[in-house]
Amino acid sequence: KAGVTQTPRYLIKTRGQQVTLSCSPISGHRSVSWYQQTPGQGLQFLFEYFSETQRNKGNFPGRFSGRQFSNSRSEMNVSTLELGDSALYLCASSWGPKLAGSYEQYFGPGTRLTVT
Amino acid sequence: SQQGEEDPQALSIQEGENATMNCSYKTSINNLQWYRQNSGRGLVHLILIRSNEREKHSGRLRVTLDTSKKSSSLLITASRAADTASYFCATEGEGGSEKLVFGKGTKLTVNP
Repeated sequence: KAGVTQTPRYLIKTRGQQVTLSCSPISGHRSVSWYQQTPGQGLQFLFEYFSETQRNKGNFPGRFSGRQFSNSRSEMNVSTLELGDSALYLCASSWGPKLAGSYEQYFGPGTRLTVT
Repeated sequence: SQQGEEDPQALSIQEGENATMNCSYKTSINNLQWYRQNSGRGLVHLILIRSNEREKHSGRLRVTLDTSKKSSSLLITASRAADTASYFCATEGEGGSEKLVFGKGTKLTVNP
């Protein structure tokens, strides 16, 4: 079974631009979560989607947004990029939702975003 | 905000030795998970322990959970150079959310 894929793997953008990152979950997984990883703040939760609905959102400004499509693929968008948005953006998928028990999350390789 | 705090922040050992990493957290959890990350890459899920479990094994990995102390430990036995990576604990709160709250990680170096 193919793993979680993220595109692009590397991206360089300029301050003020916007960027869209894509995540394709493992086949059959319906839940997608996004995380930002920086050396200073570590891994921080951005948002979680299930069946095209955002179920949870982390403490990030409105410049960070996302969506999920009917095939469970997800995109996240960052508008008006700032230098501090440089990070590794990780997507994770799981079967979801956790009505009973818990489901392991499977992470993609990440998109390395550099803002100059 | 960080929920889990790993200890130590960095650990350097020789091949064949055991490595122990600890994680403490603050609030009630549904489960606790350990992940490995090789330099700048995605996270690999290692093991999940539920709040009603005390110990779990997977190959050379042994995880314990003490909910009364809000702490967990990850033991890697007979370490190998390939185990060199950062290790993170992540907690999943009670309720239906998929949100994981990660600690800052322990950077493990296994010297050949």
